[in-house]
Amino acid sequence: DIQMTQSPSSLSASVGDRVTITCQASQDISNYLNWYQQKPGKAPKLLIYDASNLETGVPSRFSGSGSGTDFTFTISSLQPEDIATYYCQQYDNPTTFGPGTKVDIK
Amino acid sequence: EVQLVESGGGLVQPGGSLRLSCSASGFTFSSYAMHWVRQAPGKGLEYVSAISSNGGSTYYADSVKGRFTISRDNSKNTLYLQMSSLRAEDTAVYYCVKDRGVGSPEYYFDYWGQGTLVTVSS
Repeated sequence: DIQMTQSPSSLSASVGDRVTITCQASQDISNYLNWYQQKPGKAPKLLIYDASNLETGVPSRFSGSGSGTDFTFTISSLQPEDIATYYCQQYDNPTTFGPGTKVDIK
Repeated sequence: EVQLVESGGGLVQPGGSLRLSCSASGFTFSSYAMHWVRQAPGKGLEYVSAISSNGGSTYYADSVKGRFTISRDNSKNTLYLQMSSLRAEDTAVYYCVKDRGVGSPEYYFDYWGQGTLVTVSS
């Protein structure tokens, strides 16, 4: 099975800060990686697909990059409504979620 | 607008059974693969099961294999998860999830329901 790790597990940043989350796969998954946002008490929402493509309707401050085993998710300017847990998900074989990164406002 | 509405959750004793349903609307249900994903209280997301658009192909996580059965009724636009031999560790919110993939699962989750809570406890 493909294992996914994320770091950090949690972070606290100020409004307007640039926030970066990394996700690492235990083997090459090409670009078969998605990023989801889950706000408290809500279902997850797809933000980024195929590692770097922004889902329709998602603000452009969210972005993703990477391929192979190492991936990055970035919020260019953190907003109060971005408070959530973010999960990466590989869908190369067949699928695994990362453990999540909880983002708070400092 | 795509809508996925789960039902059937509740409290069940260890060793018991429960059937979850997911009513779908806003898209051509019979064309898309569907999934169940769960989340234990305060924990991360765990993949459970997949089914192809025609129901002919299914996949299960090792943690539920042999105990859970996924199925669908395309005439009713409904997805099911039959759960048996339930354990305390099956306690979770169960989400019904639509796949981007037409036909076979691509494991790319573009729409999620709001979830239904299953609690396994005596």
